[in-house]
This record gives sequence, structure tokens and C-alpha cells, in this order.
Amino acid sequence: GQQLNQSPQSMFIQEGEDVSMNCTSSSIFNTWLWYKQDPGEGPVLLIALYKAGELTSNGRLTAQFGITRKDSFLNISASIPSDVGIYFCAGRPNFGNEKLTFGTGTRLTIIP
Amino acid sequence: GAVVSQHPSWVICKSGTSVKIECRSLDFQATTMFWYRQFPKQSLMLMATSNEGSKATYEQGVEKDKFLINHASLTLSTLTVTSAHPEDSSFYICSAPDRSSNQPQHFGDGTRLSIL
Repeated sequence: GQQLNQSPQSMFIQEGEDVSMNCTSSSIFNTWLWYKQDPGEGPVLLIALYKAGELTSNGRLTAQFGITRKDSFLNISASIPSDVGIYFCAGRPNFGNEKLTFGTGTRLTIIP
Repeated sequence: GAVVSQHPSWVICKSGTSVKIECRSLDFQATTMFWYRQFPKQSLMLMATSNEGSKATYEQGVEKDKFLINHASLTLSTLTVTSAHPEDSSFYICSAPDRSSNQPQHFGDGTRLSIL
């Protein structure tokens, strides 16, 4: 099935650094979602974006819905050890279709 | 908030066994639920959409006779992996949208299936 292109694939950073990852698609999405998945668990919703150009924050996390509707980015400021995990973007093509297409994931590792 | 519960969280069984996985919406009704499969170090791939009171719709390449889905109530969907083989070993995750609060999909904690 279709997947969204997510980059980078993995990141190794030091605690306190800022993180940026993005997601791109060849087709338009009307909703962008960002999830975090810890090992052996299901994804947990971090931020939901519903309007092109929208910029939304959730604590140290900030995400934006690209103006072209074909991309989104997620920033994490001042990373802490519990930020370790895999981050997935997910897109929904239109409001009447609840199916999600997931990105390929970004694995975040924090170097002590 | 809304919670989706999945059971069991982990199952190991012999090849040829059929395995049933349950997905429940705990404090909201879900007329639609989704089943995903995730192989190690890969993303979630949608397998099928479970529809309460009607047949599930399967994604291309997913065998409906192999992965039986039943959605008999507004809070429960089950996925049965029939005659499981080692290549069916994977992490299976369900999700459900909470339409009453217009929330995006909430995910269960997944089921790790290992076929020996």
C-alpha cells in the first residue's frame, strides 16, 4: 500500500537538542497526524492538523500542515530521554475517508 | 479520554493454529475499526476496515479467508488469523475513530503474534 515519505529515517542526538522531521506525499491530504510509538506498544497521537498552513503546538512539540497539503513537519525542542521512540506521520485524504496512510517512521535515539 | 483495548497483548502458538485477537472501544462506540500489521522496523500497513454489522473491507493483497474479521457489536471487533504460519508472525494493531468527539483514530496497544 501507499506510504508517506518521512525523513530522516533515524536520528541520533544529545539530550537538550532540538529535533526536526518531515513527511511528504505526492498526493493531497486534508488531515495530518503525528504519532509516537514506543517498543511493543501502539502509536499514541501527539498532534492533529486539519487546515493547510496550520501551526499547532503541544508542549515542546510543534507541527505544521504544509500549505500545499502535501507535507508536514514536526519539531521537538529541548529533547529529553523520554522522547526516544519512533515517530510516524499519518495522512487522511479527505474528511469522509477515515483510512490513514502512515509515513515510514523516524527513529529517535538520544545519546547520553 | 477514549481508549482502545486490545487482547491478548502477546501470543505464541504452533503453526497451523488459528488465533483470535480482540479490539474493544472502552468508552465510545465504534462502528468502524481498522486493523494494521507492523513487521519489525517497518511502518503500520492497513490490512482491513472492520464495519459493524456488515462485511469487512480488505486492502489489496490481504487474504480475507486468512484474516477473518467480525464486528458484531459497537464496541468489539475481532481478527482471527486462520491456520497461522511463521510468516504471519507480526505485530497486529487495531484502531478506532471516536466520531462522537470528532477525534482521530485511537490505537490499541497491539498484539505480538509469534508462530513457531
